[in-house]
Amino acid sequence: GAVVSQHPSWVICKSGTSVKIECRSLDFQATTMFWYRQFPKQSLMLMATSNEGSKATYEQGVEKDKFLINHASLTLSTLTVTSAHPEDSSFYICSAEGWERTEAFFGQGTRLTVV
Amino acid sequence: EDKVVQSPLSLVVHEGDTVTLNCSYEVTNFRSLLWYKQEKKAPTFLFMLTSSGIEKKSGRLSSILDKKELFSILNITATQTGDSAVYLCAPTGGATNKLIFGTGTLLAVQP
Repeated sequence: GAVVSQHPSWVICKSGTSVKIECRSLDFQATTMFWYRQFPKQSLMLMATSNEGSKATYEQGVEKDKFLINHASLTLSTLTVTSAHPEDSSFYICSAEGWERTEAFFGQGTRLTVV
Repeated sequence: EDKVVQSPLSLVVHEGDTVTLNCSYEVTNFRSLLWYKQEKKAPTFLFMLTSSGIEKKSGRLSSILDKKELFSILNITATQTGDSAVYLCAPTGGATNKLIFGTGTLLAVQP
């Protein structure tokens, strides 16, 4: 199946700093990428949808100035958590969808811990 | 508002048992329904269902969709400890064909 690579798999940062998470589709062109966060023992919550070359569409309640999403190419999307705080600590997962729009392929996820 | 409800929330069974996981949904512009298995990290794909009444099978797992009654079930027969995971149901819909995840069913299979 298609491969989506997410990096880093875990990161610890200090409060107030920014963290960038990358999501790459390795063997297909991702027309759409989705970013999710997941708190412990809870389901995935969609944060935003990004299409290559256009601005991301954020879900209600997600601060677009805090969670910057860039989808500059058909194989790469990035999520930057700006001025991170401990409450931003979570598991962030991306998924990517290609032209055929079948299943979405997930990255491995990034465990963010803000101290 | 889009809604996905999975039941039961959690389930404990013994190896060899058969389990049925339920997913009901209300989603605008519904297109398909996907099932995922999530262990420690990111979800892994199990099935994608687009048509009613057509069972999809993969080994001991099978799933079916009822678009009229707006639900899907995932069956696992002869469960094994390796089946222990959270099973997520995710219909797709909305303007961006996004996945809308349910809360998941936590399955624990005891030896």
